[in-house]
Amino acid sequence: DIQMTQSPSSLSASVGDRVTITCQASQDIINYLNWYQQKPGKAPKLLIYDASNLETGVPSRFSGSGSGTDFSFTISSLQPEDIATYYCQQYDHFPRSFGPGTKVDIK
Amino acid sequence: QLVESGGGVVQPGRSLRLSCAASGFSISDYALHWVRQAPGKGLEWVAVISFDGDIQYYADSVKGRFTISRDTSKNTVYLQMNTLKREDTALYFCAREQRGYKPWGQGTLVTVSS
Repeated sequence: DIQMTQSPSSLSASVGDRVTITCQASQDIINYLNWYQQKPGKAPKLLIYDASNLETGVPSRFSGSGSGTDFSFTISSLQPEDIATYYCQQYDHFPRSFGPGTKVDIK
Repeated sequence: QLVESGGGVVQPGRSLRLSCAASGFSISDYALHWVRQAPGKGLEWVAVISFDGDIQYYADSVKGRFTISRDTSKNTVYLQMNTLKREDTALYFCAREQRGYKPWGQGTLVTVSS
């Protein structure tokens, strides 16, 4: 099974800051990686698919990159509405797996 | 749109069946997944049924106890959960696979407790 790790597990940043989250897969998943945003009490929302493609309607301050085993997710200018937990997810193999999540707060 | 139902409080060892009713698209065109989230925890993938219904995969934690199925006439996917354990307590989401999981339902809460 493919294990996904994320770092950091949480972060606190100021409005306007650049925020980067990393995700690592235990084996090569090519670019079969998605990023989701989950706000408290809500279902997750797809932000990035295929590692670097921005989902329709998602603000351009969100971006993703990487391939193989190492990936990153960036918010170029943190906004108050970005307070949430962010998850990476691989879909190269079954069972599918999510990273443990990164909780993003405003400082 | 996806709407889950069937959650509730159930004793350990008992069974429960969750439903995921789809509208606005045909479940025959997409793979459908179940994902769960224990209280205060992260997301855990549970199961998938392929667009043609021929293929199902399960997480190791539920294999042999849970069964995913569908009824195309009702455009609904099910998750039959048997021999429930306390660690199955979670909010259960269904989600359509289309370049990632979208949309998601609002979730249905399953609590396994005596």
